Order: sequence, then C-alpha cells, then structure tokens
Amino acid sequence: EAGVAQSPRYKIIEKRQSVAFWCNPISGHATLYWYQQILGQGPKLLIQFQNNGVVDDSQLPKDRFSAERLKGVDSTLKIQPAKLEDSAVYLCASSLGWRGELFFGEGSRLTVL
Amino acid sequence: AQTVTQSQPEMSVQEAETVTLSCTYDTSESDYYLFWYKQPPSRQMILVIRQEAYKQQNATENRFSVNFQKAAKSFSLKISDSQLGDAAMYFCAYRPDTGTASKLTFGTGTRLQVTL
Repeated sequence: EAGVAQSPRYKIIEKRQSVAFWCNPISGHATLYWYQQILGQGPKLLIQFQNNGVVDDSQLPKDRFSAERLKGVDSTLKIQPAKLEDSAVYLCASSLGWRGELFFGEGSRLTVL
Repeated sequence: AQTVTQSQPEMSVQEAETVTLSCTYDTSESDYYLFWYKQPPSRQMILVIRQEAYKQQNATENRFSVNFQKAAKSFSLKISDSQLGDAAMYFCAYRPDTGTASKLTFGTGTRLQVTL
C-alpha cells in the first residue's frame, strides 16, 4: 500500500516569496492533516480536512497561509508571503476517519532566508 | 487547553537495556486517547503504541509498553531490549474523544540515543 506522498522534500526561498506544498494521502483516507514542525518542537496542527471540508483551521495563520483539498483527495498548502519564522518541516498526514491512526508523509522542509 | 509535557529532551540507553520515557498531560476531558510516535532521522513519523483512557490495562506492543496513570495524568513509554533501530525522536501525543474536530496535540519530544 502506498504511503502519504509529499513534495517537494526541500525548498529554499527568500522572505516575502511564495511557496506551495503538495500532499497525496493514502487512498480511501477521508481525513487529511497539515502539521508544522519547527526545529526542536513537536508538530503543530495547521489544518484538518474531512473529505474536502475544513474541520479545524484555528491555528492556521490565515493572512499568509492557505490550504485546499480538491475533490477530497490531494491537498496543497500555500504560504504567501513567507516570513523567516515559517522555516519548518511541513508534515502531511491522513487517516481513515478522525478516530483512525494517522499515517505521516516524510515532510517538506522549508527554509526561508 | 490541552498540553502535553515531555520533560526529558534527551535520553540514552545501551543496547539490550531498558529505558523509560516520561510524558504528562493536562486535560479536563474524561475520554481521550494517548499515543507515542517515533520519528527517525528520515522524518517519517510512525505510531508506536496507543492507549484509550477508558481502558485500565496498559497497552503493550512487543518490546514497547506504557504505564498509564490516569489520576496522575502520566503516560510513560518503556522500551525493553533496546535496539540500535530504536534511536529516534519520540513524541507523546493526546487526542480528546470529542468528535470530528478533536485535535492531536504533541509534546516537544525526547531524543533517544542507543549505544553499543
């Protein structure tokens, strides 16, 4: 069974530029999550989708971050404009349902200079 | 707000020995789940073990077991017969059983080193 796919694995940009990350969850998984993991910290939930609807985006900085999940499958997370403090690993995860085990991708490491 | 605290930033264990990683949490919920996740250097997080709060029996998965103390809000992970492949960051996590919008909250992690 294919796991959660993420791209790109690494991205370096300058502040005020924009970046987009892509996630393809495990087939059939209704719930999709984006986490931000800053170096030395635990992952922090940015947004949670149930199918293509947003369940929780309370910690998403909506002035610069946006996310969508088209047709309830793939998802993209966009940052525009990026700030230095956005340097982190962005983890995508999926689960069958909200009670199910989370399966994580390998993450996308963003460096903002 | 729920918080998860891991007070040990780093731990070290010799191969074949036993190590215990600590975790405490704060919640006003009575129904919830607790997890330990492992994150090797490749960064892919994997679930190690899961505990439902309503179960009194401590969860066990092969060499991994937990000591769940609900009243003390403590959830420690014991790794027996440690192997080199156990070296990783370990995150304790909490999730209330409150429906679709319940959020998984992670601690700051403990880096485990395994030495020969």
